[in-house]
Order: sequence, then structure tokens, then C-alpha cells
Amino acid sequence: DAGVIQSPRHEVTEMGQEVTLRCKPISGHNSLFWYRQTMMRGLELLIYFNNNVPIDDSGMPEDRFSAKMPNASFSTLKIQPSEPRDSAVYFCASSAQGALNTEAFFGQGTRLTVV
Amino acid sequence: AQSVTQPDIHITVSEGASLELRCNYSYGATPYLFWYVQSPGQGLQLLLKYFSGDTLVQGIKGFEAEFKRSQSSFNLRKPSVHWSDAAEYFCAVGPSGYSTLTFGKGTMLLVSP
Repeated sequence: DAGVIQSPRHEVTEMGQEVTLRCKPISGHNSLFWYRQTMMRGLELLIYFNNNVPIDDSGMPEDRFSAKMPNASFSTLKIQPSEPRDSAVYFCASSAQGALNTEAFFGQGTRLTVV
Repeated sequence: AQSVTQPDIHITVSEGASLELRCNYSYGATPYLFWYVQSPGQGLQLLLKYFSGDTLVQGIKGFEAEFKRSQSSFNLRKPSVHWSDAAEYFCAVGPSGYSTLTFGKGTMLLVSP
């Protein structure tokens, strides 16, 4: 398996523009997580899906952020409109809920810069 | 609420010397504990995990960690550091192996020649 695949790897956009980050989880995994990493706050969980259903979105900073998981093999994180303070590395991770002794596998991240 | 504290922001170790990275957690139940490593520009790679059983767990790349419930600690160790170990290390805690994780702020390891 290729692991968790995120695209794009880097994104530079102007303030006010819409940004869409994409994630393909590991095949067979039924849990998907979006994390944000910044120098100030470290790694923060934004949202968690299980079987394509959002379970916990309490970490989503505000209404400008939205996430979807239309099927088991694809998820998006959208920011509209984007702001400079959204600049961060966004990680997607997936895991197999219900499997014993498993863990979350992370993608390589999308580095977002909003100017 | 669960939390993870990594007291050391940076640590510098000479190549070949031993290493210990500290991690303290706060969690209301039996925790699932993890150490991840992040190389520059890369994602997080799992080094090792503790779910239950033996409190000394072995991981990849020669790392080990010891779970001490009485001290709420899960320190990462390596007997002899290699230059390729220079990276940022994150301790994490969660309610299970597959659920949401709370991460520490990370410890940046620098390896000197």
C-alpha cells in the first residue's frame, strides 16, 4: 500500500481565496483524521471521521473550515476564505478502528501558505 | 482532559551517546501511548506504541520506551544515537490505538559529530 496520500504537498494562495486539501486514506481503514501543525500550537486535531461520518469536529477552528468524506477512499478539507493565520502544515491520518493493536498512519502533509 | 508534556524543546546529543526524551501525560483512564518521529518536510512515522502488557516496549530504529504509571511518564530512549536520528520527536496519548490522539509540542533532537 502506498500509505496515506495527501495533495498538494505545497500550496501558496492569496488571502481570501478558497483552498482545498485532499487526502486518500489507506485502503481498508475506516477512520480518518485531519490535524494541523503550527509552531505555536503544535499538532492539533481538527476533525475525525469514522466510516465516512464526522464524529468529532470540535477542533475545527471556525466556519471557514469544512471537511467532507464522500466515500471511504477520499476526504477533503476546505478553507474559505483563507487567511494568513491558516498557514500551517495540514496532516491527514487514517487507522483501522476495531483492529487490535493498530495505530494511525500519517500522510506527508500539505504545507499551506496564505499570503 | 488529556494532555501531553514534553519538557524539552531542544536536545543536543553527541553521536554515539545515549538519549532519553521525556514525556509526561495526563489521562483519566488507561492510556494508549505513542512516540512518533518527524523528519524535516516529512510526515509522522510511528516509532513505538504502548497498549498494555510489558511496560518496556521496543520500537523501530533501536528505540525503546518505558511506561511508568506511577510517574505518568513514557520516556523514549536509545543507547547510541546516530546522526540520522536528528529529527523532531512527538509523544502522543489516546483512548485507543485507532482513535484521536493528543500530541505533545515535540522535542527537536540535534546530533553533534
